[in-house]
Amino acid sequence: AQTVTQSQPEMSVQEAETVTLSCTYDTSESDYYLFWYKQPPSRQMILVIRQEAYKQQNATENRFSVNFQKAAKSFSLKISDSQLGDAAMYFCAYRSSGGGADGLTFGKGTHLIIQP
Amino acid sequence: DSGVTQTPKHLITATGQRVTLRCSPRSGDLSVYWYQQSLDQGLQFLIQYYNGEERAKGNILERFSAQQFPDLHSELNLSSLELGDSALYFCASSVVGSSGNTIYFGEGSWLTVV
Repeated sequence: AQTVTQSQPEMSVQEAETVTLSCTYDTSESDYYLFWYKQPPSRQMILVIRQEAYKQQNATENRFSVNFQKAAKSFSLKISDSQLGDAAMYFCAYRSSGGGADGLTFGKGTHLIIQP
Repeated sequence: DSGVTQTPKHLITATGQRVTLRCSPRSGDLSVYWYQQSLDQGLQFLIQYYNGEERAKGNILERFSAQQFPDLHSELNLSSLELGDSALYFCASSVVGSSGNTIYFGEGSWLTVV
């Protein structure tokens, strides 16, 4: 079974600074998908960014980018120019490419605090 | 707004009771997923339906069951409720069963068992 590990229970960053959230995963599969979801205090789960394992290029969505290291099984999220609205729990998630008959495996999350 | 609708948003019930949580997926989405988020267990995948058929099972208890109807809405039935079942239950949907398609989450149903 796949596992996802987020080793930082909490991170704090000054507004406008850059922060990187770590995620590692364990899998024997070669093809899969990785996601970062954001959960603000409202508890809504919001997709931030996704990465296909077969793509070498790191995904980017505006201020959010990832550093995907397939050999190291690492998938970190970089948030540039942090804003107060970025404060939330961030979850890293893994999904097998096995035909879609599965769900997401989540890490335990990182609580991101933005200092004004 | 993800387009996934869940009702009720909040529910308080007593131990031993049965509740039904309802989910309407995004328009056009055939796959529905149910997740449980609790303080001690984190986010756990419960079950997936695709176009009315059960597709995958995760850590779903035998006291829990789900179904997806012809109009693609889904219901999660929780019975013989225990205090430990108190959690946020998410429904999510995606276009098809293929793994790459993004999974969109509803706002969740808060269940409190007293």
